[in-house]
Amino acid sequence: EADIYQTPRYLVIGTGKKITLECSQTMGHDKMYWYQQDPGMELHLIHYSYGVNSTEKGDLSSESTVSRIRTEHFPLTLESARPSHTSQYLCASQGGGGTSSYEQYFGPGTRLTVT
Amino acid sequence: KNQVEQSPQSLIILEGKNCTLQCNYTVSPFSNLRWYKQDTGRGPVSLTIMTFSENTKSNGRYTATLDADTKQSSLHITASQLSDSASYICVVSDRGSTLGRLYFGRGTQLTVWP
Repeated sequence: EADIYQTPRYLVIGTGKKITLECSQTMGHDKMYWYQQDPGMELHLIHYSYGVNSTEKGDLSSESTVSRIRTEHFPLTLESARPSHTSQYLCASQGGGGTSSYEQYFGPGTRLTVT
Repeated sequence: KNQVEQSPQSLIILEGKNCTLQCNYTVSPFSNLRWYKQDTGRGPVSLTIMTFSENTKSNGRYTATLDADTKQSSLHITASQLSDSASYICVVSDRGSTLGRLYFGRGTQLTVWP
């Protein structure tokens, strides 16, 4: 099992609140990713990072922001949550050598509900 | 347009039976193809990963095949168990960027009945 963690696992919050979803990994991977997934749908990349102080927006436009101050930590922040942000958010990391360098390891996800 | 299409969308089988899930892709250039298992409410877990030169790879009761010429892959599950009930996602990576962009299918929802 991969050493990548997400907290909280479930979050119900009111509209307009600021929230931060935590993601950390202990594998020393340089690459980290945030995906958004609605039920029965494919994962969509919303943010990624190649390393410390490197962050980029993904394919799906998102009002969230990310930071990468430490290699192991890649938090995602929503300044003002809206019902349209209700979704599952998955964090992943990638690294290592050989074919394992292709491997993305996923955290358990955060199920966010905005009321 | 780079796409990954999976079939069937859902599948119900009896415990102990075999099944095969299909994945067709149009991603180009091609780097590798992965199959993930995602339990409800959890993150995906890798089953297999195949590069261009590999045409089959096994992981226990899971066997994946790849035909890079026809851009098709299949995941065969042998002697299914109740714990196999999950969504199986096909993911294709291109080599057209340093990111190694991933293209996700919508998954096949497998239900194994006792």
